[in-house]
Amino acid sequence: GEDVEQSLFLSVREGDSSVINCTYTDSSSTYLYWYKQEPGAGLQLLTYIFSNMDMKQDQRLTVLLNKKDKHLSLRIADTQTGDSAIYFCAESITHTDKLIFGTGTRLQVFP
Amino acid sequence: EAGVAQSPRYKIIEKRQSVAFWCNPISGHATLYWYQQILGQGPKLLIQFQNNGVVDDSQLPKDRFSAERLKGVDSTLKIQPAKLEDSAVYLCASSLQRWEKLFFGSGTQLSVL
Repeated sequence: GEDVEQSLFLSVREGDSSVINCTYTDSSSTYLYWYKQEPGAGLQLLTYIFSNMDMKQDQRLTVLLNKKDKHLSLRIADTQTGDSAIYFCAESITHTDKLIFGTGTRLQVFP
Repeated sequence: EAGVAQSPRYKIIEKRQSVAFWCNPISGHATLYWYQQILGQGPKLLIQFQNNGVVDDSQLPKDRFSAERLKGVDSTLKIQPAKLEDSAVYLCASSLQRWEKLFFGSGTQLSVL
């Protein structure tokens, strides 16, 4: 089946690292994505990783993929108040156009 | 590059009324998606178009929801009649081709009273 789960809430101090976790159930996913949603806005694609990769780094963002455990994480280094938002992981299912979203993790950054 | 445009931004209606949302995708994007995002949940795909043809509408409540994409560009999503549980943000997204990255609009927030 298709199911993507995330913890609901994460609170970090400004300057610390944030780690947002995601687990998925469909082993045939091709790409895994991280989207950011700020209040009243649509989803903004942050980064993505192909399913045959273990890690991808993009400036302050590091994505780790453990395909065996079906676990995806997003690490934000030097977290800033502007990073406060809801973060959604999503998986695309091979040979379909389906993009399955998780429930989202609300990241709150305090000074 | 202009993003995905949606209107209206907000809509408040009473149950059993009708409502329509409009989406203009990024120029050149062949694939267009409508998602429903209920408060506290992730977006759920309602319908996907490839040009002006429907690829997937398996989760669209067809007794009350309809969508079209005339000439393979703009799209409208209609609800008739609306129910209380339709209160949500309706997001439109587009991608260059199928299996490409999605770009989302800001959404239409619908409140059904």
